[in-house]
Amino acid sequence: SAVISQKPSRDICQRGTSLTIQCQVDSQVTMMFWYRQQPGQSLTLIATANQGSEATYESGFVIDKFPISRPNLTFSTLTVSNMSPEDSSIYLCSGGDYEQYFGPGTRLTVT
Amino acid sequence: KNQVEQSPQSLIILEGKNCTLQCNYTVSPFSNLRWYKQDTGRGPVSLTIMTFSENTKSNGRYTATLDADTKQSSLHITASQLSDSASYICVVRGDYKLSFGAGTTVTVRA
Repeated sequence: SAVISQKPSRDICQRGTSLTIQCQVDSQVTMMFWYRQQPGQSLTLIATANQGSEATYESGFVIDKFPISRPNLTFSTLTVSNMSPEDSSIYLCSGGDYEQYFGPGTRLTVT
Repeated sequence: KNQVEQSPQSLIILEGKNCTLQCNYTVSPFSNLRWYKQDTGRGPVSLTIMTFSENTKSNGRYTATLDADTKQSSLHITASQLSDSASYICVVRGDYKLSFGAGTTVTVRA
């Protein structure tokens, strides 16, 4: 199994600023993903973080708003740029090959 | 469009009772189906994973079933405990992406 940690666990940010969320896996994984979860709703895939190349974004999500880095097989970052209150959500990182493991999430509030 | 639908949306049960959650999907191609438990404020944790050829899989008091012909799955919780209070999410893997159901919120009361 893999253990995934995220930092920060929560943050309150002002509109117009940016926040970078870090995701660390305790073992090498081929696939890493970033999700968003609105309160009371299920997970929506933002992008697939590809090691050594640009992330693959889902419809409705763009690189300028959610730049992602994946420098190696155990680490990735997601930046939420130029934040607005609509970006308030829980952001989850997941990784794994056959099994998908999830981090605890980062609860973001934008005021 | 790949879809995963869960029912009921929520349910309340008394401690010690059993309950069954349902999941219907239209994901194609089908790779596997997973049930996750998500406690409030935490990330989802996998309970079971089933492939096309598996009909039943258990993890302690959790038993999942899969009917790949009708594209239906269920999760049965036996002798519920207060710690079972959580959201249970049905997730279907197609090619490499996961399709998520909206989840069933289970509340277990003493």
